[in-house]
Amino acid sequence: GNSVTQMEGPVTLSEEAFLTINCTYTATGYPSLFWYVQYPGEGLQLLLKATKADDKGSNKGFEATYRKETTSFHLEKGSVQVSDSAVYFCALIDAGNNRKLIWGLGTSLAVNP
Amino acid sequence: SAVISQKPSRDICQRGTSLTIQCQVDSQVTMMFWYRQQPGQSLTLIATANQGSEATYESGFVIDKFPISRPNLTFSTLTVSNMSPEDSSIYLCSGILNTEAFFGQGTRLTVV
Repeated sequence: GNSVTQMEGPVTLSEEAFLTINCTYTATGYPSLFWYVQYPGEGLQLLLKATKADDKGSNKGFEATYRKETTSFHLEKGSVQVSDSAVYFCALIDAGNNRKLIWGLGTSLAVNP
Repeated sequence: SAVISQKPSRDICQRGTSLTIQCQVDSQVTMMFWYRQQPGQSLTLIATANQGSEATYESGFVIDKFPISRPNLTFSTLTVSNMSPEDSSIYLCSGILNTEAFFGQGTRLTVV
């Protein structure tokens, strides 16, 4: 079945450090891939997405590239800020599976000043 | 894009009572979903709300406990019935539009 495996947290970084949160997936067909972010006390927000192989999603300095050969969608940011402290979720939609979202377990990020 | 208004945002309820959560979408969305999120954990899908037919429930969730309505393409409700403290959680609705999922702000439920 479809699944998403996400790097376990918590991740703690200093401000301006480089961030990578790994995400790999298994899916039949050609899923769309997403990163969602949940800031403390808030709802889920779409951070970025990619709908086909080699697409790069980007937003707020974050990037992730859809790598079909390695079935990965790693999230990166070159210089994190304290305001990036949140929980990050990797997810996929398999068009053939009633369009349900399949979620990773989430990675908590804490950025210290 | 789509905006989903979910209410109530939070509630404290007595055990044995029921709470109905509403979600209103500003666009017509074919698929709507209801999730539960325990603190510090990922989302667990409760059910898919189908317009014009009964909801489709995931393993471990039943209609008698979580009845769902979906009268049209912009609205859905989830009722948490006969609540117990174990039902304390955040409940989220979601709609999918053009391969992107949008979420309500969530309902933080505490059962005492």
